[in-house]
Amino acid sequence: KAGVTQTPRYLIKTRGQQVTLSCSPISGHRSVSWYQQTPGQGLQFLFEYFSETQRNKGNFPGRFSGRQFSNSRSEMNVSTLELGDSALYLCASSLRTSGGETQYFGPGTRLLVL
Amino acid sequence: DAKTTQPPSMDCAEGRAANLPCNHSTISGNEYVYWYRQIHSQGPQYIIHGLKNNETNEMASLIITEDRKSSTLILPHATLRDTAVYYCIVRSTGANSKLTFGKGITLSVRP
Repeated sequence: KAGVTQTPRYLIKTRGQQVTLSCSPISGHRSVSWYQQTPGQGLQFLFEYFSETQRNKGNFPGRFSGRQFSNSRSEMNVSTLELGDSALYLCASSLRTSGGETQYFGPGTRLLVL
Repeated sequence: DAKTTQPPSMDCAEGRAANLPCNHSTISGNEYVYWYRQIHSQGPQYIIHGLKNNETNEMASLIITEDRKSSTLILPHATLRDTAVYYCIVRSTGANSKLTFGKGITLSVRP
């Protein structure tokens, strides 16, 4: 099976712009989660989508939003970019089984805000 | 979700077993123990998880104490490519649970 794919892999934006990142989950996985990773804060949970509905949300401002499509692909959007939004953005997809729900991560999108 | 405690770093010699400890003293009965690792600038990689029983797969073994308050991840024959940050996470089976990553433990495998 193909793994989680994220596009683009690298992105450079300037302050005030907006950005959209894309994530394609593993085939059959209906849940997609997004994380932000920075050197100072580590890996932080942004939000999770399941069947096109946001199921869980982390503690991030409203500038960060996401959505999930009927094919389980997901996008996240960051509006009015700030320098502090420079980070590695990770997407993970998961499938719930009797043995728990295991998340599998993509390679990430590295965003640099100038 | 319960929190975990891991030492910040450890090292081991190539070819030897690496035993990575984790404390999760407030774990609840419905919470699994998950281990992930992250090699520099890559996405975290799932290693193994368990509820009560010890688990083994092609990558590692997970030993959970009987009271479930701590666990140990064992890499039986560490290689240089196992150098990474290893995260121990507990997560419930509830629909609204999420993975909460701590700082993890940095494992350095020396030649």
